[in-house]
Amino acid sequence: ETGVTQSPTHLIKTRGQQVTLRCSSQSGHNTVSWYQQALGQGPQFIFQYYREEENGRGNFPPRFSGLQFPNYSSELNVNALELDDSALYLCASRPKSSDNEQFFGPGTRLTVL
Amino acid sequence: AQKVTQAQTEISVVEKEDVTLDCVYETRDTTYYLFWYKQPPSGELVFLIRRNSFDEQNEISGRYSWNFQKSTSSFNFTITASQVVDSAVYFCALPVLYSTLTFGKGTMLLVSP
Repeated sequence: ETGVTQSPTHLIKTRGQQVTLRCSSQSGHNTVSWYQQALGQGPQFIFQYYREEENGRGNFPPRFSGLQFPNYSSELNVNALELDDSALYLCASRPKSSDNEQFFGPGTRLTVL
Repeated sequence: AQKVTQAQTEISVVEKEDVTLDCVYETRDTTYYLFWYKQPPSGELVFLIRRNSFDEQNEISGRYSWNFQKSTSSFNFTITASQVVDSAVYFCALPVLYSTLTFGKGTMLLVSP
């Protein structure tokens, strides 16, 4: 148990729709990262938030956006969904002093039809 | 560029066999961490080990052992006397910008009874 939860577990959307995925971190974990994991691939870094501000971004377009809240929860929003957005979305949290160790949630499986 | 290569896509063994999962990395950093994660079918990434680059001693934890060789940029993972519960996808990872992780493509380990 990592103490990181994600909702929903599974989600089915159609192309062009918008989706919001949620993550709840452990208390005190003020850094949260989101990753996209396509089938058969390793997780790919989307972006990271620290104290409610984005402080790093991977190679993902602006239609991927996020929010982090003071209660250690966060959201990943994806607009104008495309078929290739179908993947497992993982959030990972850590305290600032963790020396890189990240605690992953169970993920949300998004299917875009 | 920071990069992790796991050349073995899938390995199948019979229970009680030993198995080694390979990981080769590229980094321009002089000190760095390396990680191994396990991803069972449930999807959650389970942290196995974090290794600092200035500590090249092999590490053993129960049936798990890790061989870190800086000279060959490898960080291999061995499971001794494998069990069916070891069946999962295993990822090697390297921190990149903002302390997020870059993952290899993973090695799927199938342990049959």
